[in-house]
Amino acid sequence: KAGVTQTPRYLIKTRGQQVTLSCSPISGHRSVSWYQQTPGQGLQFLFEYFSETQRNKGNFPGRFSGRQFSNSRSEMNVSTLELGDSALYLCASSLARATEAFFGQGTRLTVV
Amino acid sequence: QQQVKQSPQSLIVQKGGISIINCAYENTAFDYFPWYQQFPGKGPALLIAIRPDVSEKKEGRFTISFNKSAKQFSLHIMDSQPGDSATYFCAGDTNAGKSTFGDGTTLTVKP
Repeated sequence: KAGVTQTPRYLIKTRGQQVTLSCSPISGHRSVSWYQQTPGQGLQFLFEYFSETQRNKGNFPGRFSGRQFSNSRSEMNVSTLELGDSALYLCASSLARATEAFFGQGTRLTVV
Repeated sequence: QQQVKQSPQSLIVQKGGISIINCAYENTAFDYFPWYQQFPGKGPALLIAIRPDVSEKKEGRFTISFNKSAKQFSLHIMDSQPGDSATYFCAGDTNAGKSTFGDGTTLTVKP
């Protein structure tokens, strides 16, 4: 059974640009959550999608957005990148809420 | 407002010893408490989890102790091994689909 796949693994962008990250969940999992991990702030919840609907959102500015497709694959987009957006972005999939979540290896975003 | 406080920030244990990591939470809506293990360059991996109607859960060398009235839970790693050296995160999940993580504990097991 394939795990959660995130692409790309590494990304370098310039301030002001936008970026799109992709997450393919485990087959059969309909819940996809996104997290930002930084040394200073730890793991912070961005948003959660289930069956193409955003069900919950963390305390991030509107520059952070996401969507989920009918095949449960999800993308997150960050517009007008800032230096502080440099982080490891993690995606996790699960069958349902408050159940075992499986994380991908993350996308390491560096904003210069 | 941090809703899950994790301690200690770092921990050094001798091989064969017991590693203990503690977490305290505030949100009584949490109904699932997982622990994750993360190695450098990898995403977190679920280690063990507990629901609030259970006071203890054991899987191999890993045990969660849960105290609902004190709103605290802890991870015990028995017979700690160098391969256990990693960062450990506790979390609280609500049925609203939001996970709140502790700040993490870096465990080093010395051979």
